[in-house]
Amino acid sequence: AQTVTQSQPEMSVQEAETVTLSCTYDTSESNYYLFWYKQPPSRQMILVIRQEAYKQQNATENRFSVNFQKAAKSFSLKISDSQLGDTAMYFCAFMKHRRDSGGSNYKLTFGKGTLLTVNP
Amino acid sequence: DTEVTQTPKHLVMGMTNKKSLKCEQHMGHRAMYWYKQKAKKPPELMFVYSYEKLSINESVPSRFSPECPNSSLLNLHLHALQPEDSALYLCASSQGTFLIRSGGTDTQYFGPGTRLTVL
Repeated sequence: AQTVTQSQPEMSVQEAETVTLSCTYDTSESNYYLFWYKQPPSRQMILVIRQEAYKQQNATENRFSVNFQKAAKSFSLKISDSQLGDTAMYFCAFMKHRRDSGGSNYKLTFGKGTLLTVNP
Repeated sequence: DTEVTQTPKHLVMGMTNKKSLKCEQHMGHRAMYWYKQKAKKPPELMFVYSYEKLSINESVPSRFSPECPNSSLLNLHLHALQPEDSALYLCASSQGTFLIRSGGTDTQYFGPGTRLTVL
């Protein structure tokens, strides 16, 4: 079974600064996908970024980027130029690739989340 | 467009009531999901529908009854709920590539949720 660990229950950062949220995972799979979702107080779960494990290049989406270290099973999220609207709960999630999952790659395994507060 | 809509936003019901939650997507996705989320916790998967058929039931009590009338719509019928069922109920959809031999990234897109309170 897969596990996802987010070791920082809460973090805070000043507006315009950079913050990094950590995520580690444990799996015996070689092909899989990793995601970061954010959930603001408005509660909608929003996809932030996605990484395919077979890709060596780290994914980026505007101010959001990841540091994917496959050997270390680490998938951290860096938020640059933090904005007040970035205040949210951030969940790291893992999904198997279909070929290795016997067709069960529907299931997202979530970490417990990191509550990020951006201060003005 | 990655929009999933859910109605109502809030729902308060008694333990003897019957109510329904609704979820809709127009992205052509063929997989739809119901999640339950307690405060400050990650979502917990309840049901998965693929091509309008129930594929997965994560041992959810029968007082929760899902329904998928068509490829765009997903309902969750509620009856005789308990106070501990109070939670945020999230709907999600994905392309359903897990159904396809080619595999791929089956990214799930979530709706805004329904906040349910059971009195």
